[in-house]
Amino acid sequence: GDSVTQMEGPVTLSEEAFLTINCTYTATGYPSLFWYVQYPGEGLQLLLKATKADDKGSNKGFEATYRKETTSFHLEKGSVQVSDSAVYFCALRDTGGFKTIFGAGTRLFVKA
Amino acid sequence: KAGVTQTPRYLIKTRGQQVTLSCSPISGHRSVSWYQQTPGQGLQFLFEYFSETQRNKGNFPGRFSGRQFSNSRSEMNVSTLELGDSALYLCASSLGGLGNEAFFGQGTRLTVV
Repeated sequence: GDSVTQMEGPVTLSEEAFLTINCTYTATGYPSLFWYVQYPGEGLQLLLKATKADDKGSNKGFEATYRKETTSFHLEKGSVQVSDSAVYFCALRDTGGFKTIFGAGTRLFVKA
Repeated sequence: KAGVTQTPRYLIKTRGQQVTLSCSPISGHRSVSWYQQTPGQGLQFLFEYFSETQRNKGNFPGRFSGRQFSNSRSEMNVSTLELGDSALYLCASSLGGLGNEAFFGQGTRLTVV
């Protein structure tokens, strides 16, 4: 079945460091791919998305490119801030559009 | 535009009891999904409803059930509660298609004692 694998955390960075959180997926067809972020005590919020191969999603300085050849959707940010500390989830929506499958989440700590 | 609303926010129940959680989706959204979030298991898919029909179901026992009403509001029921059912239950709504993202509520924190 479809699945999402993302790097285990926690990831600890200093402010202004470069961030990469790896995400790979297994799916039939052409799923849509998403990154969600969860701040403490809150639900998940959509960070960015890509719906077809080579699409780049971007928001708030975060970027991710849909790579079909490597079945990956890695999240990057050039310069993290303390306020970026949260849990990040990679997800795919299956080709039928009936289910969104999430990775295990990666907790990010950013130190001042 | 109002977001996804889940009620109640917090619940404490005793083992063996049953519980009903409620979710009101964003206006116009016909798809509602439910997830269980725990520290050890992450986000686990429970089920998804679209226009009152369950379209998909995760690997949970029959004690977990749900339904969706004609106004797209959804309820989730858990019977014969177990300690392991303690979790954050998240509801998400969407337009339902392939490229449409899910919008999440803040969740219901269920504690079973």
